[in-house]
Amino acid sequence: AQSVTQLGSHVSVSEGALVLLRCNYSSSVPPYLFWYVQYPNQGLQLLLKYTTGATLVKGINGFEAEFKKSETSFHLTKPSAHMSDAAEYFCAVSPRMIAAGNKLTFGGGTRVLVKP
Amino acid sequence: GAVVSQHPSWVICKSGTSVKIECRSLDFQATTMFWYRQFPKQSLMLMATSNEGSKATYEQGVEKDKFLINHASLTLSTLTVTSAHPEDSSFYICSARDRGGSWELFFGEGSRLTVL
Repeated sequence: AQSVTQLGSHVSVSEGALVLLRCNYSSSVPPYLFWYVQYPNQGLQLLLKYTTGATLVKGINGFEAEFKKSETSFHLTKPSAHMSDAAEYFCAVSPRMIAAGNKLTFGGGTRVLVKP
Repeated sequence: GAVVSQHPSWVICKSGTSVKIECRSLDFQATTMFWYRQFPKQSLMLMATSNEGSKATYEQGVEKDKFLINHASLTLSTLTVTSAHPEDSSFYICSARDRGGSWELFFGEGSRLTVL
């Protein structure tokens, strides 16, 4: 069984400061890894994903994440926060096997507040 | 990118009535769609996997007679909350996988159900 842990349910950053959201996973084999963003009363938008290849993944809106197998982590970062980054962020994993139906397991989410 | 649309975005109903929520893939065909439930300030919980032309697969603890899922075509899945009660009030989100493309999942905008 897979699980995802996001450390910190709330993160407050100043505009222009580094954004760091932590995600650790538990899986018998390295899964596919995702970060999604959710704005109030909206669905989820994919920020980035890791499947294979380069472990540093760049996504939309200036976000990037690094897969570290030894640490079972997939932390999300953005060098300089913008007010529009205020949202809920979810880390998710899915099995590598397509036959598993792409079931996503989500972390608890981290709400980001950006202070002017 | 691929678009998944949910309707309605908001619905208020009386206790005991049934409510249908639609999930449509607008520009791709989806053999598999997923339905999630999200309580306020919480993560997404997978309710069921909807497969075109066959019965849905429900997650443990989800009442199949309560949450009826129909995936009658490659672009439409519906979730019907039967005999709704206030505890069914939640944000329901669907996602769909493009059968012709990568296995990436695309999410709808969500549907907020309030049962009075």
